[in-house]
Amino acid sequence: GAVVSQHPSWVICKSGTSVKIECRSLDFQATTMFWYRQFPKQSLMLMATSNEGSKATYEQGVEKDKFLINHASLTLSTLTVTSAHPEDSSFYICSARSGHGYTFGSGTRLTVV
Amino acid sequence: KNQVEQSPQSLIILEGKNCTLQCNYTVSPFSNLRWYKQDTGRGPVSLTIMTFSENTKSNGRYTATLDADTKQSSLHITASQLSDSASYICVVSAEAGTALIFGKGTTLSVSS
Repeated sequence: GAVVSQHPSWVICKSGTSVKIECRSLDFQATTMFWYRQFPKQSLMLMATSNEGSKATYEQGVEKDKFLINHASLTLSTLTVTSAHPEDSSFYICSARSGHGYTFGSGTRLTVV
Repeated sequence: KNQVEQSPQSLIILEGKNCTLQCNYTVSPFSNLRWYKQDTGRGPVSLTIMTFSENTKSNGRYTATLDADTKQSSLHITASQLSDSASYICVVSAEAGTALIFGKGTTLSVSS
């Protein structure tokens, strides 16, 4: 089946620094990648949709200059949290659409201290 | 407004017992409904996907049902195991290609 590899699985960073999260589709081409954020005991919230070779589409309330998304190839999409603050601490998950439906990455736990 | 409501919010059962989780949705037009299992600190893993014309779909000990008329779905877990402890999320797609609409999930705890 389709596999989306997400790294890192967890990261701790200092306030003000930037963190990059990568998602790779291992055995299929992901034309579209979705990025979600999930707070404890809450549902996944869509942050943005990225399409290979074009600018990402951000959901209302999501700062595009803070959450930089790059989808330079059909197998790699990255989310960079710039100038991270403690309130950005959350669980970030990517998802790609394949012939098997939507496949999710394993998630990245970001803690900003 | 497109919404997905799940119940109960949480559930505790003994190992070996069966349980049923509920999902009601107001999404229109409806394309398909998915059930995912999400272990703590992990990404969701697909259990079943059903389209408008499907009433039942099984995946091992998991059986999902769909009533498109009443806009209800259920996920039945048979002979629960400790490893079934997780959050179960109902996800509905309004139409092909649009964003998924997530329920808040039901947290299942299976105890020995």
